[in-house]
Parts: sequence; structure tokens; C-alpha cells
Amino acid sequence: QKEVEQDPGPLSVPEGAIVSLNCTYSNSAFQYFMWYRQYSRKGPELLMYTYSSGNKEDGRFTAQVDKSSKYISLFIRDSQPSDSATYLCAMNSGNTPLVFGKGTRLSVIA
Amino acid sequence: GAGVSQSPRYKVAKRGQDVALRCDPISGHVSLFWYQQALGQGPEFLTYFQNEAQLDKSGLPSDRFFAERPEGSVSTLKIQRTQQEDSAVYLCASSLLRGRGSYEQYFGPGTRLTVT
Repeated sequence: QKEVEQDPGPLSVPEGAIVSLNCTYSNSAFQYFMWYRQYSRKGPELLMYTYSSGNKEDGRFTAQVDKSSKYISLFIRDSQPSDSATYLCAMNSGNTPLVFGKGTRLSVIA
Repeated sequence: GAGVSQSPRYKVAKRGQDVALRCDPISGHVSLFWYQQALGQGPEFLTYFQNEAQLDKSGLPSDRFFAERPEGSVSTLKIQRTQQEDSAVYLCASSLLRGRGSYEQYFGPGTRLTVT
């Protein structure tokens, strides 16, 4: 079993929909949780960063962490075609290398 | 300002050849990371530099992989005697923050290596 599991999709939604992306993990030492967005043929870019449990909101994006369930989510409201990309979750326990999920490919259809 | 740049963007190597992949981090960033991203997978950590010191090379898959950052800026990842399983995108990232756990990493576009 991999440390971080993420459904690769693909996920296809109409423009304006609410998108829910999720990851589960097995290492209870993980405390820092990130979401990266990766466009085709580009490197990942950091979207959101959360420490420990709780919610964090940034514009149309909300990140949630439930450490008791070892489950993290990213919600995208009012999705746009420009949100079409692969979304990668990543996490670590502080001074350890990031561990990434395999990414979920999202298509937002106009 | 300029982001992280990598060269070449694409490299085709015959099995057994040696390759060198270059990374130019953002100026002033002390931390530099190399990752390997296989098709359909997330990036996997290879190695970490703080300035010129290679502090973690636990992710390097074999002794055919070697990385250096001699002056604390530009870094080179070298793969000797390439094998087909080395085919992947190699990503470089840099961070102003110290520590191999830095979350605020800025990634380059990657070098896509194909070994035939």
C-alpha cells in the first residue's frame, strides 16, 4: 500500500460545478498537507498549504484536513475551463521530503 | 521574475548512454530538490541540496544516479548507463526556505527523458 492514495480520474465536470478532490494517507506522522496543480507539460505549482487538521479557504479553493480519518480534500467552487489540470496532493511530517499522490486529472467542460 | 529553468526540455538517449540534466533555480533560493515523475504518477523525491551540500540522497534509485550543485546555484543530475526504466520526467524545484520538508517549492517545467 502506498503512503498516499489518490484516485487518478479522469474527472469531467461542467463549467460552474463544485469539484471535490481527495486523498487518503496511511502515515499518522504527516502534519503538513499541500495541493499542487500541474498543467500539461509544466511543473507543479503550489495552490494551498494546511498544517494539521482544519479548513483553509483561498478564493474559489477550500482545503480540508481530517487527521482522524487520514483524509484530505480540495474543493473548487464555480469551476472554470482554466481549472482543467492534474491536481496533486502532497504531505510530510515537517523535515521530511514531500510525498505526492499520483494526481487526479480534471477536465472542466465549457 | 525568472522561475526555475531546466535544460534540455527533451532528451532521447540510447540504452547505456550517460545523460546530464541541468537545473537553474530561482536566484537566492538555498534549497534545491530533484524529483522523478513517471507517466501517470506523482513526483517522487530523489535528492535535496541546501546550498552546495547534498543533505539527502535517499531517493536516488541506484548508484547510476548522481547529482551535484558545486557553487550552490546551478545543479546537474547525471544518469550513467541509462536503462529503459529511467524514462520519466525529471523535475527540479527550489525554495527560499531551508529544510528538505519545505512546502513552498517552485518547480521547473521538467526534462522529459526517453531511453530507447
